[in-house]
Amino acid sequence: AQKITQTQPGMFVQEKEAVTLDCTYDTSDPSYGLFWYKQPSSGEMIFLIYQGSYDQQNATEGRYSLNFQKARKSANLVISASQLGDSAMYFCAMSLVNTGNQFYFGTGTSLTVIP
Amino acid sequence: DAGITQSPRYKITETGRQVTLMCHQTWSHSYMFWYRQDLGHGLRLIYYSAAADITDKGEVPDGYVVSRSKTENFPLTLESATRSQTSVYFCATKLAGDTGELFFGEGSRLTVL
Repeated sequence: AQKITQTQPGMFVQEKEAVTLDCTYDTSDPSYGLFWYKQPSSGEMIFLIYQGSYDQQNATEGRYSLNFQKARKSANLVISASQLGDSAMYFCAMSLVNTGNQFYFGTGTSLTVIP
Repeated sequence: DAGITQSPRYKITETGRQVTLMCHQTWSHSYMFWYRQDLGHGLRLIYYSAAADITDKGEVPDGYVVSRSKTENFPLTLESATRSQTSVYFCATKLAGDTGELFFGEGSRLTVL
């Protein structure tokens, strides 16, 4: 069963604008972690941000923030003030404690920043 | 300090041949994982290991074998490569404990002709 869903295969954003990348997840476990990774064209996987299921506040890391809506099971990534270097593939992931810390990944969203 | 090293980075082989992808970490992280990345599928877990001599299947284990005799190494073997195993393979590690991100190697691109 699909545990992580990313419905936007591709997104475009104007430089300096904000963009939201959608992610929904599916689990009945009370304890889980939500992550976002960036994969530029060079291929490496770069960790961006983490949100724990018990965290009350939305996570933020510089220009990245995670809009965590637990009741809706969504964990959207917001990138503020987009830069050309933000053009990349973005993956949402979930880890479940009860499955041996396995990580489940979505299919990714390709973001292109337009100058 | 390289962290996670995957080798080879690029490999071309033929159907039916055995191929081993190596993964070495310098951090002594407890958990190690092998993922494959294919267009339209994201990353899918092949096998993972919670510690030396402890391995378990992930989502797509068929056709793959792993071992972990030492904490720092986690080789992935394709016993008889098939074209459907053409992919980019990522090794990843994680500290023990509930939280914490995956740390990824640079990936190994395998082409099976």
